Amino acid sequence: QITLKESGPTLVKPTQTLTLTCTFSGFSLSTSGVGVGWIRQPPGKALEWLALIYWDDDKRYSPSLKSRLTITKDTSKNQVVLTMTNMDPVDTATYYCAHSDYGDHGAFDYWGQGTLVTVSS
Amino acid sequence: DIQMTQSPSTLSASVGDRVTITCRASQSISSWLAWYQQKPGKAPKLLIYKASSLESGVPSRFSGSGSGTEFTLTISSLQPDDFATYYCQQYNSYPSTFGGGTKVEIK
Repeated sequence: QITLKESGPTLVKPTQTLTLTCTFSGFSLSTSGVGVGWIRQPPGKALEWLALIYWDDDKRYSPSLKSRLTITKDTSKNQVVLTMTNMDPVDTATYYCAHSDYGDHGAFDYWGQGTLVTVSS
Repeated sequence: DIQMTQSPSTLSASVGDRVTITCRASQSISSWLAWYQQKPGKAPKLLIYKASSLESGVPSRFSGSGSGTEFTLTISSLQPDDFATYYCQQYNSYPSTFGGGTKVEIK
């Protein structure tokens, strides 16, 4: 059974750096084809793809946010970490992590419950 | 970036109705398209992948079709549990992108 769960601060101040951790079980991020992505959703708005890391440490970022994002993995801990620098109130959103497997079909088939991050002074 | 345009943005329908949602890509994405259902306060749920393949456990009243730049999600007979917001996502190229969503409301 695959599960993912996001953790991190619920409130950050403008200009601060956000660090979110996705802790997962039921799969290994060392298995060929497997990836973990981050997606966010501002309140009342659409989903936005942020970044994705693959089993081979290949990393992909949204070009509009690439300068602010870093995604890393710790295979031994079954965790993926996303950092976002220089937070702004427009970054207020629910942040999700999700599993994909390009050896299967590549869509996000398992999602975490999401964590709401508010950016405010 | 590939832009994904969904229509309509809101749809009012009754239980039992046949519902169709359209998603258009700004350039060809072959069949690398997924559809998700999202209910308030919940994470999205995968319904369809590779444009027309039904995810395990998803009711057969959901179906997807299309390739290239034009795709549709069809609900053959709308059920009370189907009132939600639906998103398409292209994963043909990076960055992956989502459509703006279609909210299916009770008529």
